[in-house]
Amino acid sequence: GAGVSQSPRYKVAKRGQDVALRCDPISGHVSLFWYQQALGQGPEFLTYFQNEAQLDKSGLPSDRFFAERPEGSVSTLKIQRTQQEDSAVYLCASSPRETQYFGPGTRLLVL
Amino acid sequence: AQTVTQSQPEMSVQEAETVTLSCTYDTSENNYYLFWYKQPPSRQMILVIRQEAYKQQNATENRFSVNFQKAAKSFSLKISDSQLGDTAMYFCAFMKTFMESSGDKLTFGTGTRLAVRP
Repeated sequence: GAGVSQSPRYKVAKRGQDVALRCDPISGHVSLFWYQQALGQGPEFLTYFQNEAQLDKSGLPSDRFFAERPEGSVSTLKIQRTQQEDSAVYLCASSPRETQYFGPGTRLLVL
Repeated sequence: AQTVTQSQPEMSVQEAETVTLSCTYDTSENNYYLFWYKQPPSRQMILVIRQEAYKQQNATENRFSVNFQKAAKSFSLKISDSQLGDTAMYFCAFMKTFMESSGDKLTFGTGTRLAVRP
């Protein structure tokens, strides 16, 4: 079946712009995670959804970051007033249980 | 909080040879999961192998196997008969025991870049 998909794959934003990153999980996967991966580093947890409920948002770095999953399927990560330090790859993963399956990521560059 | 340490930033191996990537972790949990993920230059993270801490038997997936030493909190990955397609960044990751009521995040190491030489 289809894997996790993310769009856009690349995004260039001017500092101060708002961006929205989309994640389409594997159909039927209850759990959805967002991670941020800085260049040369391992991914770091941002937030977690079980169906439409956001159960953990402890990794969101500031109140400029907001995530939603209104119907328990597609999720959107929104970053308001982007800053240069937001430049990173944003990874989405979904899972039926323990194992997480990752999408290709969105590479965000803030100029 | 859990931490995962990968002390080898880069490794190189000749095609068809065997290589071992190291990973240590720190946790106070007794039951948990450990994973190795591969991230090729195209960037998509792919699961290589997983180990459940309560299982004493080391996990194996074709050419990939782990050496899980729970007391030492060590979880190394052995790649046998290395292939050019194994060239990638390898991440070790930890997850607390999965619960139906809530998932749990992965905690990653900083990765080991593996280059397979022809």
